[in-house]
Amino acid sequence: DVKVTQSSRYLVKRTGEKVFLECVQDMDHENMFWYRQDPGLGLRLIYFSYDVKMKEKGDIPEGYSVSREKKERFSLILESASTNQTSMYLCASSPWGSDVWGNQPQHFGDGTRLSIL
Amino acid sequence: AQTVTQSQPEMSVQEAETVTLSCTYDTSESDYYLFWYKQPPSRQMILVIRQEAYKQQNATENRFSVNFQKAAKSFSLKISDSQLGDAAMYFCAYRSGATNKLIFGTGTLLAVQP
Repeated sequence: DVKVTQSSRYLVKRTGEKVFLECVQDMDHENMFWYRQDPGLGLRLIYFSYDVKMKEKGDIPEGYSVSREKKERFSLILESASTNQTSMYLCASSPWGSDVWGNQPQHFGDGTRLSIL
Repeated sequence: AQTVTQSQPEMSVQEAETVTLSCTYDTSESDYYLFWYKQPPSRQMILVIRQEAYKQQNATENRFSVNFQKAAKSFSLKISDSQLGDAAMYFCAYRSGATNKLIFGTGTLLAVQP
């Protein structure tokens, strides 16, 4: 089974801090994703990566950056945390697929509930 | 831009009964994929069922089936013989055939009553 591991289940930080959320997958997937989940808004894509050192903005990238130095690891960075970034953050990965974009599902981690005080 | 709408924020079903969760989407594309994901209280999101738009036959996975109406842009999920373990948040999601980005609906929280 695919395993997507997020480093923390709960995290509390202060405004202005630089925050790192780490995600590791063990299935050699090319694609990795970061979402935030808020009640009534569903999941919204922050950033995704389809290869090492490659990244693309999702729908809500403002205030975030990402890093993918190794294929299995995808980090989300809050450069200067603010209270409106308090949320649940979900990481996901998926393979490239037999056809380029295929119907391969994304596999999710358990999520990190981040509180910014 | 594509959108996904789940109009039922909460649903409730009796154990062993059948429930249908609604999902509609808006797109001008002809090549796309649709998914239902389940997020139990433990929070890990898992895939329930998927449907390729080019397939006319509705997807089925054990007690889970979909009613895919392409012209109406509707993709509902039917859960038969509901079990207590089916209680979760259910998300409908769309992916264009030209991108690997998922667009999610706002979710439906399903409660299963014993």
